[in-house]
Amino acid sequence: QVQVVQSGPEVKKPGSSVRVSCRASGDTFSGSAFTWVRQAPGQGLEWMGQINPRFRALTTTDLFRDRASITADESTHTVYLELRSLRSDDTAIYFCARVDDDFGHIDYWGQGTLVTVSS
Amino acid sequence: QPVLTQSSSDSASLGSSVKLTCTLSGGHRSYLIAWHQQHPGKAPRYLMRLEMSGRYEKGSGVPDRFSGSSLGGDRFLIISNLQAEDEADYYCETWDNMFRVFGGGTKLTVL
Repeated sequence: QVQVVQSGPEVKKPGSSVRVSCRASGDTFSGSAFTWVRQAPGQGLEWMGQINPRFRALTTTDLFRDRASITADESTHTVYLELRSLRSDDTAIYFCARVDDDFGHIDYWGQGTLVTVSS
Repeated sequence: QPVLTQSSSDSASLGSSVKLTCTLSGGHRSYLIAWHQQHPGKAPRYLMRLEMSGRYEKGSGVPDRFSGSSLGGDRFLIISNLQAEDEADYYCETWDNMFRVFGGGTKLTVL
């Protein structure tokens, strides 16, 4: 059974940084790409970026390129999203998801991590 | 990169069928898409991958009531014999080497 498990909720001050982790079960992690998607309250899904740990391939959408870092630790099967210079409109649920190896769509989602940015 | 267009809402009666549409912008009509279902307060769930040909492959555990079809740049999610638990938001997704895009989502109400 494929499992993608994320870290718990975070409350941060404006201007600070947050790091969200995403751990995948062993078979899930090897050779797979992982992507980050966020959802602001009452809004749709917004893609942030993607990493393939095996090939060290990283893609980040322009909107987040200056503030977001996506990294991976193969030894612990964990992918990380760090978002810097937080603003109130970064308040959202951040989802980690596995990308299908053959076709490239998202096939397994993490449970989501609520990040609240408030003074 | 492509734009995916979905109607914001739709409704259908319990036990009936509904056809949700995701339209790929011009020039990207051949792209594969995926459909995802999201209940309030929950993470999305992958439903199926859908090709331009209309061929689709569903995720593990997705009921037989869910199917897909295509016509040109339109990709459809068909839900037959609607159940109360089908009331949810439905998103389509497409991707390439350098991007991933979601439609705005359709809120499905089961009457």
